[in-house]
Amino acid sequence: EDKVVQSPLSLVVHEGDTVTLNCSYEVTNFRSLLWYKQEKKAPTFLFMLTSSGIEKKSGRLSSILDKKELFSILNITATQTGDSAVYLCAVPPRGAQKLVFGQGTRLTINP
Amino acid sequence: NAGVTQTPKFQVLKTGQSMTLQCAQDMNHEYMSWYRQDPGMGLRLIHYSVGAGITDQGEVPNGYNVSRSTTEDFPLRLLSAAPSQTSVYFCASSYQTGPYEQYFGPGTRLTVT
Repeated sequence: EDKVVQSPLSLVVHEGDTVTLNCSYEVTNFRSLLWYKQEKKAPTFLFMLTSSGIEKKSGRLSSILDKKELFSILNITATQTGDSAVYLCAVPPRGAQKLVFGQGTRLTINP
Repeated sequence: NAGVTQTPKFQVLKTGQSMTLQCAQDMNHEYMSWYRQDPGMGLRLIHYSVGAGITDQGEVPNGYNVSRSTTEDFPLRLLSAAPSQTSVYFCASSYQTGPYEQYFGPGTRLTVT
């Protein structure tokens, strides 16, 4: 069964800290991994990592993919209160036109 | 572009009632899907469609029906609402016939009493 597991489920840090969110996966014929940020409403797309693109960076956010160990991490440096959100990781199994989501990590940044 | 729109934003139903959650997109996306989100469980796929006239089941399809008569619209029908269907429902779409970079609607919060 395809599975995506995120850790930790919840994280509280102070503004300015650096955080690392984890996503491990077990899917048939891996092809890509996606990260989304969900504030109060709909998830919004952050990154997609594939076999040919195992590292992505956008401002203070960066993500890497380890295909051998079957996990990805999302790093956020110099966190701000606006980074408070649920971060979701998702993987599409090959041959299945769907996304399998992890449970999400709820990140809270305190001023 | 309005993107992905969903109506209603909130709904309260009594057990046994039926209703339709509406979803529309104006991006000419072939792929559309419905998810439900429950606390601690992430997003779970209910049904999806790879184009007009084509639908398929996701992880948790029981109690829900869909149809796709146009590219733009993908309504989700609850046949006989149950308290277990209390959840937040998201519709999403993507350009490719596949789930990459899905664009999500604002969600519908449904409570079944």
